[in-house]
Amino acid sequence: GAVVSQHPSWVICKSGTSVKIECRSLDFQATTMFWYRQFPKQSLMLMATSNEGSKATYEQGVEKDKFLINHASLTLSTLTVTSAHPEDSSFYICSARDRKLAEGEQFFGPGTRLTVL
Amino acid sequence: SQKIEQNSEALNIQEGKTATLTCNYTNYSPAYLQWYRQDPGRGPVFLLLIRENEKEKRKERLKVTFDTTLKQSLFHITASQPADSATYLCALAGAGNMLTFGGGTRLMVKP
Repeated sequence: GAVVSQHPSWVICKSGTSVKIECRSLDFQATTMFWYRQFPKQSLMLMATSNEGSKATYEQGVEKDKFLINHASLTLSTLTVTSAHPEDSSFYICSARDRKLAEGEQFFGPGTRLTVL
Repeated sequence: SQKIEQNSEALNIQEGKTATLTCNYTNYSPAYLQWYRQDPGRGPVFLLLIRENEKEKRKERLKVTFDTTLKQSLFHITASQPADSATYLCALAGAGNMLTFGGGTRLMVKP
């Protein structure tokens, strides 16, 4: 099946620094990628939808200037958490949809655990 | 407001029994519904998709039903195994095929 990778798998940073997370579709082209955040024992919350070559669409309550998304190619989207604070500590997961499919499953990455000290 | 509800309490069953998980939703008219499995510290893994005009879908030991009148989907695992222990998430597809996830139900299958 289709594979989505994320890098890094975990990161610890100091408060005030920026962290970049990469999401790659390894064997298919993804016109659309999604970024989710998951706090402990909670479900996935959609943060933004990333479309290749255009600006991301952010969900209500998600600061676009804090969570910068770049989808420069059909296989790569990046999420940069700027000026991270401890409350940004969470599990960040990306997913991608195969451009050849009109609907259907999203392929999820393994997630990135961010801890802000 | 739109809401997706899954039983937040863990479901404990004995190996070999059938596990049944419930997903109820309100104020939604999803084109399709999906079920995912998530293990601790991992991303979700797709299991099954069922469309609004389908009543039932099967895959190996898995069965999903979709009742758009009751606004409910049931997810069954027959002949459950300890390896089936995980959190199971239902997700509804809205506009633009964006998924909204339920809170998930943790399944524990005891040997």
